[in-house]
Amino acid sequence: QKEVEQNSGPLSVPEGAIASLNCTYSDRGSQSFFWYRQYSGKSPELIMSIYSNGDKEDGRFTAQLNKASQYVSLLIRDSQPSDSATYLCAVRTIQGAQKLVFGQGTRLTINP
Amino acid sequence: GAVVSQHPSRVICKSGTSVKIECRSLDFQATTMFWYRQFPKQSLMLMATSNEGSKATYEQGVEKDKFLINHASLTLSTLTVTSAHPEDSSFYICSASPKRGQETQYFGPGTRLLVL
Repeated sequence: QKEVEQNSGPLSVPEGAIASLNCTYSDRGSQSFFWYRQYSGKSPELIMSIYSNGDKEDGRFTAQLNKASQYVSLLIRDSQPSDSATYLCAVRTIQGAQKLVFGQGTRLTINP
Repeated sequence: GAVVSQHPSRVICKSGTSVKIECRSLDFQATTMFWYRQFPKQSLMLMATSNEGSKATYEQGVEKDKFLINHASLTLSTLTVTSAHPEDSSFYICSASPKRGQETQYFGPGTRLLVL
């Protein structure tokens, strides 16, 4: 089992709708969770970090964490074509010290 | 804040030559820097973690003698790909964390390496 799993997609969402991206992780002791956005040919950029159970909102983005289910998600409201990118879920596992473990990414396409 | 730069952004070299990639934190001191490699349509794979003033910690399967990492100052880490071969062609990305134990990593823009 991979440490961090994401559906690779592609996920297609109409413009203006809500895009929902999901991620599961295997290490129950994981404490820190991150969502990065990566445009084609570019490096990842941090969108959200979340550390405790529940929702965290930042503009059109909402991260949701459920440690009991080992599940973290990212919701994008009012999706825009510029949101089309690959979204990477990253987890800091307790055994890994400072390093992050990345999922394989979900490719999201927002259709105008 | 939290800007990380990389140089060069793109490099083409002949097989057997060595290539040095620089990673700099521009507006913060980075006690820890990370080097990743990303092949097309794949996720980031951590190659090594470097802490300022100490030896880098390499991930399993990464040859430390081939991928030399130096983190001599709090704002600069370098990755040297020695005797590069076509299979080393990839997108190399560094990231930096402002404080030891600080989880947030800020990524540089990446270096695309093509070995002919």
